[in-house]
Amino acid sequence: HLQLQESGPGLVRPSETLSLTCNVSTDSISTSNYYWGWIRQPPGKGLQWIGNVYYRGVTHYNPSLKSRVTISVDTSKNQFSLRLTSVTAADTAVYYCARLVPTGEEFPDFWGQGTLVTVSS
Amino acid sequence: SYELTQPPSVSVSPGQTARITCSGDALPKKYAYWYQQKSGQAPELVIYEDNKRPSGIPERFSGSTAGTRATLTISGAQVEDEADYYCFSTDSSNDVLVFGGGTKLTVL
Repeated sequence: HLQLQESGPGLVRPSETLSLTCNVSTDSISTSNYYWGWIRQPPGKGLQWIGNVYYRGVTHYNPSLKSRVTISVDTSKNQFSLRLTSVTAADTAVYYCARLVPTGEEFPDFWGQGTLVTVSS
Repeated sequence: SYELTQPPSVSVSPGQTARITCSGDALPKKYAYWYQQKSGQAPELVIYEDNKRPSGIPERFSGSTAGTRATLTISGAQVEDEADYYCFSTDSSNDVLVFGGGTKLTVL
């Protein structure tokens, strides 16, 4: 049974960089034909797609966040990571990592439990 | 930027049929997907490619599309179906993956 587990700091200072990692269990990032991505949800609000990565390093980012986002994959550790630079209070959210099916819509079919990241001084 | 539009809330009594709509200009060309999110939990896929149910999703959940509108139907809604429901798709160029704003379903 696939397991995705997010980890990283729960508090980030404004203007600094948010860094999260997603550990993938029971599925190999490098041999399974899926994308791996990040989605966030501000408290009390809806879902926003951040971006995806394929195990070969090919990425697809939300144009509204592209200038601040980097998603990378470490196949040796079977995990992938998110970096979001120059954060503000508007980046406070629950961050979910997810597996995405590589169809035309690249839809998430399995999600981690999410981790709350608060941006505050 | 591309948007998917959902009603903020839908309310039904137990056993009634709940219908949640999602409107988007690219839906005639792109599949719609539906996610259920219960309070404090991660979203779960309940419908993919307009009308297919993942393994383990009850048969009372179904999906359909007509033109620029996709619809999630819950036939005989149950109290445990109370949740936020989000539609999902992509713009016509596959540049951006988009969620609808979400619909809060109340069953009481």
